Amino acid sequence: QKEVEQNSGPLSVPEGAIASLNCTYSDRGSQSFFWYRQYSGKSPELIMFIYSNGDKEDGRFTAQLNKASQYVSLLIRDSQPSDSATYLCAVKGGSQGNLIFGKGTKLSVKP
Amino acid sequence: DADVTQTPRNRITKTGKRIMLECSQTKGHDRMYWYRQDPGLGLRLIYYSFDVKDINKGEISDGYSVSRQAQAKFSLSLESAIPNQTALYFCATSAPGLENTIYFGEGSWLTVV
Repeated sequence: QKEVEQNSGPLSVPEGAIASLNCTYSDRGSQSFFWYRQYSGKSPELIMFIYSNGDKEDGRFTAQLNKASQYVSLLIRDSQPSDSATYLCAVKGGSQGNLIFGKGTKLSVKP
Repeated sequence: DADVTQTPRNRITKTGKRIMLECSQTKGHDRMYWYRQDPGLGLRLIYYSFDVKDINKGEISDGYSVSRQAQAKFSLSLESAIPNQTALYFCATSAPGLENTIYFGEGSWLTVV
């Protein structure tokens, strides 16, 4: 069974701090990795994806991928209260290329 | 208008009733999916379809059926609803390719009493 693991949180950070969200996956054949943000009762929305080892930056967000360690993370710089949400890690792989989702980490940014 | 539209958005139904959730998309994607989300259990794949003639079971297909009426339409049916099917249901679409992710509809809240 392919698995994607995330700490459920809640992760609480003060406004302006860096929030670090982590995800591990079990399938070494996984090929691409996605981070979604989901506000309570709303649909998940894509923040960014990564498929090469290293860092990928998009505004205040940085995704980091280490395939050898089967680890992907999301850093949010200058965290804002509006970043308070659940962050879902998703991994694509396998013969069908479907996404497998982690259960999400709830982030709370305190003013 | 949303690219992926789900109807109904909210429904309360009784145990044993048949209910259909409908999804339509304007993104032109061939691939469509139905997920359910439960607190603490995350998003779980029910069924997926890579084209009109291709239907596949996901992780939790028991108690559900689907129909792909057209490239843009994918419906989910609960033939005889039970209370543990109370959940938030999402339809999603995607294009093939490693860099292509899935895009979700707004969700359908289903309560089975």
